[in-house]
Amino acid sequence: AQKITQTQPGMFVQEKEAVTLDCTYDTSDPSYGLFWYKQPSSGEMIFLIYQGSYDQQNATEGRYSLNFQKARKSANLVISASQLGDSAMYFCAMREVYNTDKLIFGTGTRLQVFP
Amino acid sequence: GAVVSQHPSWVICKSGTSVKIECRSLDFQATTMFWYRQFPKQSLMLMATSNEGSKATYEQGVEKDKFLINHASLTLSTLTVTSAHPEDSSFYICSARGRGSDIFQPQHFGDGTRLSIL
Repeated sequence: AQKITQTQPGMFVQEKEAVTLDCTYDTSDPSYGLFWYKQPSSGEMIFLIYQGSYDQQNATEGRYSLNFQKARKSANLVISASQLGDSAMYFCAMREVYNTDKLIFGTGTRLQVFP
Repeated sequence: GAVVSQHPSWVICKSGTSVKIECRSLDFQATTMFWYRQFPKQSLMLMATSNEGSKATYEQGVEKDKFLINHASLTLSTLTVTSAHPEDSSFYICSARGRGSDIFQPQHFGDGTRLSIL
């Protein structure tokens, strides 16, 4: 079964607008972490934001926020005030503490920001 | 922040050649390193996990004799693609986790190596 699901292969957003990238996950592990990474065309993986399974509040990092809905097992990334430099692939990932302790990635969403 | 260096960035070589890729943690001790493979327009697929001083644990379907992993020190892991063929062409990226890292710490990634086998 897919552990991490990203249903949006591609998204478009106009500059300065907000965009939400979807991510759902599947785990029976009570302790897990959810991560979002950005991968520009150059290939490097840039860590954006993290949410722990026990965190009560949604994580925020500058223009990035994570809409964590534990009951729905979703961890959507919200990018506010999009910039042209935000155009990239975005990957949702999960690390289960007890089950595998490995970082497993979703299939990614390609975000294109247009002027 | 923590830095992981991966070398080389690009490799182009003939079929049958063995290629070694290095992954170094520059400012922390990486007790665990991970090797991922990424085909164009696809996600990162975990190939293997290596802990310093012990044998790597390979994911199902990954040939351990084809992809040799060595993690001889707390700052260096190497991936050797032996007798590479065109189907081994891919983007290989390493990741490192430090001692005592928990789920609250992100894994740090190298910049990746683009391997092209002619």
